Amino acid sequence: NAGVTQTPKFQVLKTGQSMTLQCAQDMNHNSMYWYRQDPGMGLRLIYYSASEGTTDKGEVPNGYNVSRLNKREFSLRLESAAPSQTSVYFCASSDMGRTGELFFGEGSRLTVL
Amino acid sequence: QKEVEQNSGPLSVPEGAIASLNCTYSDRGSQSFFWYRQYSGKSPELIMSIYSNGDKEDGRFTAQLNKASQYVSLLIRDSQPSDSATYLCAVIPTGTASKLTFGTGTRLQVTL
Repeated sequence: NAGVTQTPKFQVLKTGQSMTLQCAQDMNHNSMYWYRQDPGMGLRLIYYSASEGTTDKGEVPNGYNVSRLNKREFSLRLESAAPSQTSVYFCASSDMGRTGELFFGEGSRLTVL
Repeated sequence: QKEVEQNSGPLSVPEGAIASLNCTYSDRGSQSFFWYRQYSGKSPELIMSIYSNGDKEDGRFTAQLNKASQYVSLLIRDSQPSDSATYLCAVIPTGTASKLTFGTGTRLQVTL
């Protein structure tokens, strides 16, 4: 009963390094999301994908790229990490529509030195 | 003005009391409203959704929506220490399909 699986759970990078956060869901959901959560800032949407083959920018997309590889997988890439990208990243999925129920992964804690 | 505003707290209530959590939103056309609970170090989980003006009850939880005042609230009756968490208000703004916008959350502490 995996739900939404994110890897890695923890990562430390140096400024300028690149990395990819992986996310996979097994609930056959159409929509997938990447949020970041910072103290006092709540959850902010980075990118989302309404369906396979589509992606759209959220509130804070600068410095990130995404790939919706197939219906199950949605990856987030940092091409040149900056200290401002130190955060907890959450992947989520949902059925399209008004239900608003997002199923979240456990989160990935990223530190950029 | 932030799209979804919440008092960050902490809101401290004694065990057995009613906890009242409040949220205001800026987009008058928003139609869908949600409360998520997030325990420290964990991911958020949906506890209530509400779409129409009025109250919606689910166990010890009641969500209240007033679209005219652009105000959503969550009441937790008979608060338990296990209710201690951060409560996130979320809204689907007009024309954004399923893109939820979250408030910063209110931290609730239920004391013994």
